[in-house]
Amino acid sequence: GAVVSQHPSRVICKSGTSVKIECRSLDFQATTMFWYRQFPKQSLMLMATSNEGSKATYEQGVEKDKFLINHASLTLSTLTVTSAHPEDSSFYICSAREGGQSSQETQYFGPGTRLLVL
Amino acid sequence: AQKITQTQPGMFVQEKEAVTLDCTYDTSDQSYGLFWYKQPSSGEMIFLIYQGSYDEQNATEGRYSLNFQKARKSANLVISASQLGDSAMYFCAMREGLTGASKIIFGSGTRLSIRP
Repeated sequence: GAVVSQHPSRVICKSGTSVKIECRSLDFQATTMFWYRQFPKQSLMLMATSNEGSKATYEQGVEKDKFLINHASLTLSTLTVTSAHPEDSSFYICSAREGGQSSQETQYFGPGTRLLVL
Repeated sequence: AQKITQTQPGMFVQEKEAVTLDCTYDTSDQSYGLFWYKQPSSGEMIFLIYQGSYDEQNATEGRYSLNFQKARKSANLVISASQLGDSAMYFCAMREGLTGASKIIFGSGTRLSIRP
């Protein structure tokens, strides 16, 4: 199946700093990427939908200015957590959708990034 | 608004037995897709099986099958001959519309533990 990578896999940062997480589709072009957040023992919560070359669509309650998303190419989307605080500590997972309109296509998930803000 | 409900927060099953993980959904759309994902302790999301709302037959993928009951809005996952490696979190998910442009929403998950 298609491969999606995320970098870094783990990051520890100080409160107030910004952290950038990269999501790459390695063997396909991803017209749409999705960013999720997962707190311990909870489900994945969609944060935003990222379309190549356009602004991201954020879910209700997600701060656009805090979670900056850039989808500059068909293989790369980045999530920047600005001025991170301990409550932003979480598991961030991206997924990518291959181009096309197949009814059976699925999203391919990256391995996730564990963020710890001290 | 769409909603996914998984009522079993945790399940214990003896190795080699079959197990059914429950999932019900709520949507006003006629076109939608249902997914099951497995998440081991490493955190990666592993796609297991997909069922489209217009698919007349239940989806099967190896030891996984999806018991799709459209009238009851349920999409239970059946794992046959469970193995120790099946221990993980399992998430049911739904996408309204049948194209990948629509977002996927996840249920709360079921933690499956396989006893040797």
